[in-house]
Amino acid sequence: DTEVTQTPKHLVMGMTNKKSLKCEQHMGHRAMYWYKQKAKKPPELMFVYSYEKLSINESVPSRFSPECPNSSLLNLHLHALQPEDSALYLCASSQDAQETYYNEQFFGPGTRLTVL
Amino acid sequence: GENVEQHPSTLSVQEGDSAVIKCTYSDSASNYFPWYKQELGKGPQLIIDIRSNVGEKKDQRIAVTLNKTAKHFSLHITETQPEDSAVYFCAAFPTGTASKLTFGTGTRLQVTL
Repeated sequence: DTEVTQTPKHLVMGMTNKKSLKCEQHMGHRAMYWYKQKAKKPPELMFVYSYEKLSINESVPSRFSPECPNSSLLNLHLHALQPEDSALYLCASSQDAQETYYNEQFFGPGTRLTVL
Repeated sequence: GENVEQHPSTLSVQEGDSAVIKCTYSDSASNYFPWYKQELGKGPQLIIDIRSNVGEKKDQRIAVTLNKTAKHFSLHITETQPEDSAVYFCAAFPTGTASKLTFGTGTRLQVTL
């Protein structure tokens, strides 16, 4: 199984709502990532989890809260978002996250988020 | 930090022609250069990659070349087909950044019949 799954596919939320995005992989990978992608732009890294510990936070606002309950699951909790947070949120995983050797990241299909 | 420039931003070719997309990077510590294809409604998918100890790599109709001295790398697609239509991103991995890729700005490739 070389697939990263994400739910939901689409999400519409108001600025006062609380919602969560979910990501799952069963490839035995120990690194998982959240990216944000605006239309016609490349993915922007938000968070990296390595062995279930947060290793990189790219100065993301606290209204985005990541969680890695176990090595197969990654959540992104959303609260009090702004309309400018509307984007495609991509999850990815890789064997691990080393500083000197890059391991291929496998991307999920993304969650299309709209904040009203 | 690393900066990756990608050209062109859009590319239209006729079916059967070749397509070339070029990227330049700034950080000489970068040692891995993947190319991703992103189709509408999908996440990016790795199509080919090259490491800094190799000058060229081929996989069927797709090839990547790397010039470390000039800090250039390019994607070559031969005999293009309509299903090659997508957005292509180059990226670079600078060592010491814990798998943090720096992406280029993307090229929208349209293959016309």
